[in-house]
Amino acid sequence: GQQLNQSPQSMFIQEGEDVSMNCTSSSIFNTWLWYKQDPGEGPVLLIALYKAGELTSNGRLTAQFGITRKDSFLNISASIPSDVGIYFCAGRSRGSQGNLIFGKGTKLSVKP
Amino acid sequence: DSGVTQTPKHLITATGQRVTLRCSPRSGDLSVYWYQQSLDQGLQFLIQYYNGEERAKGNILERFSAQQFPDLHSELNLSSLELGDSALYFCASSPQTRTQETQYFGPGTRLLVL
Repeated sequence: GQQLNQSPQSMFIQEGEDVSMNCTSSSIFNTWLWYKQDPGEGPVLLIALYKAGELTSNGRLTAQFGITRKDSFLNISASIPSDVGIYFCAGRSRGSQGNLIFGKGTKLSVKP
Repeated sequence: DSGVTQTPKHLITATGQRVTLRCSPRSGDLSVYWYQQSLDQGLQFLIQYYNGEERAKGNILERFSAQQFPDLHSELNLSSLELGDSALYFCASSPQTRTQETQYFGPGTRLLVL
């Protein structure tokens, strides 16, 4: 079946650092979504991408839909403490009838 | 606040029991999706309903079933519960138009089976 590889699994940030994470799929997607989940809460949509090559920003967050349609990345610039949480990529392929496949998440923590 | 509501927020029950989780989609959204999130499996798609009809099935066990009512709210029924069913269950909704495929998630129901 379809798989999404999300990396890194976890990372530690210091306030002010830029952060980058990415997802790759085993098949072509026509939609990429990036969500953030705080403990005990539901995933919150950050950015939605619908076209190959599309680059979209939401404040300090920037995401891109890869040209090959099999990957996407999310960048966070000048991180702040409230950026801590788990970030999920999710994708949908043509013919999947709306079903999203999720990556296993990237856990962002603050450096001690 | 995504506009998707789920009740109850927490549920503790025993093995072998049956529970019902409820979801109200965002106003105007016709599609409802159910997901299970456990520690080792991440978010797994269970089932989708669109305007009252089942649209797609994912990794949903036969002990689980769902329905969407005329007012578009949805219920997920979990029966013969096992310890391994303990997880967070999320509902998401979307408008289900050709260009707007984004899913908005509710706050989830945390199920603990003892």
